[in-house]
Amino acid sequence: DGGITQSPKYLFRKEGQNVTLSCEQNLNHDAMYWYRQDPGQGLRLIYYSQIVNDFQKGDIAEGYSVSREKKESFPLTVTSAQKNPTAFYLCASSRLGQGQPQHFGDGTRLSIL
Amino acid sequence: RKEVEQDPGPFNVPEGATVAFNCTYSNSASQSFFWYRQDCRKEPKLLMSVYSSGNEDGRFTAQLNRASQYISLLIRDSKLSDSATYLCVVNRVTGGGNKLTFGTGTQLKVEL
Repeated sequence: DGGITQSPKYLFRKEGQNVTLSCEQNLNHDAMYWYRQDPGQGLRLIYYSQIVNDFQKGDIAEGYSVSREKKESFPLTVTSAQKNPTAFYLCASSRLGQGQPQHFGDGTRLSIL
Repeated sequence: RKEVEQDPGPFNVPEGATVAFNCTYSNSASQSFFWYRQDCRKEPKLLMSVYSSGNEDGRFTAQLNRASQYISLLIRDSKLSDSATYLCVVNRVTGGGNKLTFGTGTQLKVEL
């Protein structure tokens, strides 16, 4: 089945640690995205990528980093510089072009120990 | 002002009722529009795209008014399984590609 796989489902981080969230898709989509969702707030864009080896900052990129070495994969690293990392992280992908909807993985919940 | 605004609800309706959600957007450069559904602690799932002429998918009807920058979703004959949060989503094309902006969602609770 085609889809987007995020792992792990739940992740706990100690203060000062970097953690990496995995996102893999087999939909052959060119574009991939990372969002975070906090209670009572809409999804906010962290980073996005339209092509391998290229990515752009979204609205809240500070404290995060990404890479896009393969079309299928877009891992997100939450660094120790992100002061409030507890959130629900969602990865999405889409075809390029106007009007293309995004399809989401089932998310990773990150909490601070 | 938020780029996409929705009434947060909750809307508590009896099974079988018709319910309408509204959404306004502030950026007139917005080019495409969607409704997503999100269940509690789950990922958003695409419900339907919204076209200028209006479009229907079973019990769901979406309308777009570009002049008023307003989008609506109508659910007829609501079912218990329709209980969820409905997200209004607006897309515009930037130099970096498609940029989706999500509303905070309207919560629907369908009751017996």
